[in-house]
Amino acid sequence: DSGVTQTPKHLITATGQRVTLRCSPRSGDLSVYWYQQSLDQGLQFLIQYYNGEERAKGNILERFSAQQFPDLHSELNLSSLELGDSALYFCASSVPRDGLRDTQYFGPGTRLTVL
Amino acid sequence: AQTVTQSQPEMSVQEAETVTLSCTYDTSESDYYLFWYKQPPSRQMILVIRQEAYKQQNATENRFSVNFQKAAKSFSLKISDSQLGDAAMYFCAYRPNFGNEKLTFGTGTRLTIIP
Repeated sequence: DSGVTQTPKHLITATGQRVTLRCSPRSGDLSVYWYQQSLDQGLQFLIQYYNGEERAKGNILERFSAQQFPDLHSELNLSSLELGDSALYFCASSVPRDGLRDTQYFGPGTRLTVL
Repeated sequence: AQTVTQSQPEMSVQEAETVTLSCTYDTSESDYYLFWYKQPPSRQMILVIRQEAYKQQNATENRFSVNFQKAAKSFSLKISDSQLGDAAMYFCAYRPNFGNEKLTFGTGTRLTIIP
């Protein structure tokens, strides 16, 4: 158990819909990263938040957005869903409050299926 | 841009034997981290081992060790005394020490353990 939690584990929805994926980082970690794992694109970085602020952006579509709340949990919002958005979405966390850089530890992922 | 290449899509090894998974990367940075993550059928991403580029000594974690060749930009993973529970996808990942902290992943190697 990495200490990173993600909900829900599975999500099945229809094209055009909107969903929210939730992540709670390890206790004390300030950074949250979102990754997408799909068969054709592999593991791709989407976005990073650090202590509530957006730190870096990757290959994140405009239909996707994220935020990190004061309690450091994060949400990834996916809207106007398309079939190609079906994937496993991972959250990872790192950087404890003492400022030391650390390894990214991954949550169990949310499997999104768009029908 | 940094790239990570895993040229072995699939590998197999007899139980109790040793296997080496290959990884090469391309970067212009001199200070970075390299990781191996394991993804079993549960799809959880589990950290196996990490290596700081400034350390010449190869990292070791129990039955797992790496051969880090900085000049050759090579980072292979050796698994000794292979066990059935080692069966998984193995991903090599790179992260610079400065700037964007995202992980760049290779395409993975599927390891099968033969009883």
